[in-house]
Amino acid sequence: QSVLTQPPSVSGAPGQRVTISCAGSDSYIGPDYDVHWYQQLPGTAPKLLIYDNINRPSGVPDRFSGSKSGTSASLAITGLQPEDEADYYCQSYDSSLSGWVFGGGTKLTVL
Amino acid sequence: EVQLVQSGAEVKKPGESLRISCKGSGYWFASYWIGWVRQMPGKGLEWMAIMYPDDSEARYSPSFQGHVTISADNSISTAYLQWSSLKASDTAMYYCATVRYTWSGIDFWGQGTLVTVSS
Repeated sequence: QSVLTQPPSVSGAPGQRVTISCAGSDSYIGPDYDVHWYQQLPGTAPKLLIYDNINRPSGVPDRFSGSKSGTSASLAITGLQPEDEADYYCQSYDSSLSGWVFGGGTKLTVL
Repeated sequence: EVQLVQSGAEVKKPGESLRISCKGSGYWFASYWIGWVRQMPGKGLEWMAIMYPDDSEARYSPSFQGHVTISADNSISTAYLQWSSLKASDTAMYYCATVRYTWSGIDFWGQGTLVTVSS
């Protein structure tokens, strides 16, 4: 069981907005720890989508946005497109383990 | 351009040993943390281990401590993940990834190495 909790699946029609939540605890998502988001298309390595809670790497469309409040974070995708269909993971840092922690992943289906 | 190139797919039997590799280029290999992430078939991402090549400091997830060993050879900018005795449950895709700081977002990933363990 993952230490960061995500919904197993979300779906939306093209053009709609969806959000994916990531629930943690003070040990993983708190004032000292940033949350990062990844998109994994079938058969490919994960790709960094959002870093440090709200920032987009170069080349990531502004349809993707992140937020964090307390011990939870969210990824929002607006203007859904068929190519957004993928698995999405949140990730943070566990200071007690001095390593990475991942959410269980959320499968996005574009209807 | 930062690149991580992993070794090819492996098919092994239970009890056999294995070492897979991850060669970095385009950055100062020794000064970036390098980690390994497991993805079992149809499942999510799991952090296994991370290492700072410059001083060989290594950290392991409790789930993998004692079952795998992370190492690096700075002279050839290559990190390794090794098993001394594979189990069928080690069948998975393994990704290497590198970050400047352990708490940073992971912006560089290898292409993955598929390990199949079957009798």
